[in-house]
Amino acid sequence: SQTIHQWPATLVQPVGSPLSLECTVEGTSNPNLYWYRQAAGRGLQLLFYSVGIGQISSEVPQNLSASRPQDRQFILSSKKLLLSDSGFYLCAWTSWTGDEKLFFGSGTQLSVL
Amino acid sequence: EDKVVQSPLSLVVHEGDTVTLNCSYEVTNFRSLLWYKQEKKAPTFLFMLTSSGIEKKSGRLSSILDKKELFSILNITATQTGDSAIYLCAVEASGNTGKLIFGQGTTLQVKP
Repeated sequence: SQTIHQWPATLVQPVGSPLSLECTVEGTSNPNLYWYRQAAGRGLQLLFYSVGIGQISSEVPQNLSASRPQDRQFILSSKKLLLSDSGFYLCAWTSWTGDEKLFFGSGTQLSVL
Repeated sequence: EDKVVQSPLSLVVHEGDTVTLNCSYEVTNFRSLLWYKQEKKAPTFLFMLTSSGIEKKSGRLSSILDKKELFSILNITATQTGDSAIYLCAVEASGNTGKLIFGQGTTLQVKP
């Protein structure tokens, strides 16, 4: 069966520091992968998606970047964090079969201070 | 620009009440509409709707889609404190990206 791992669960970083969040998927090949961000009490905003290795589409201009160095690995990065980067970050992958379209990782709560 | 709008943004009810959550959308090449429940961490899947007028039901939760008027509702009957959560509506457009466009969410609080 497919599983998705996302880490760390919680992160507190100072303004101006770098960021690297990692997500890996097991049990499937060539998945579409996504990074979403959620502000407190709000909906999910799509940040990046990838349909294959090295292919990244950005949905909103921002201080973040994404990379997909391997088929089942998706990384979210920043060179210098801003206060506005705080939020709950979710990695997800798409199943093309069944009703449940997106499978989410457990999320990373990022606080930039 | 594709968008999904949910209402109300927040709702407080008492146990036993029935609630109706709304989701309207504007999207090019609609494929499906999904409802999720989010308690503390990752959202959990509730329903996927693709056809108008066909109700999906799971226990006390039910949902229906109107593709002519471009909206969906999620009903919860006989609410319980465990129903307290953020309810998210999302729409998928046709294409090979598989990306979902989410609404702002409705925060439901059920008081004992």
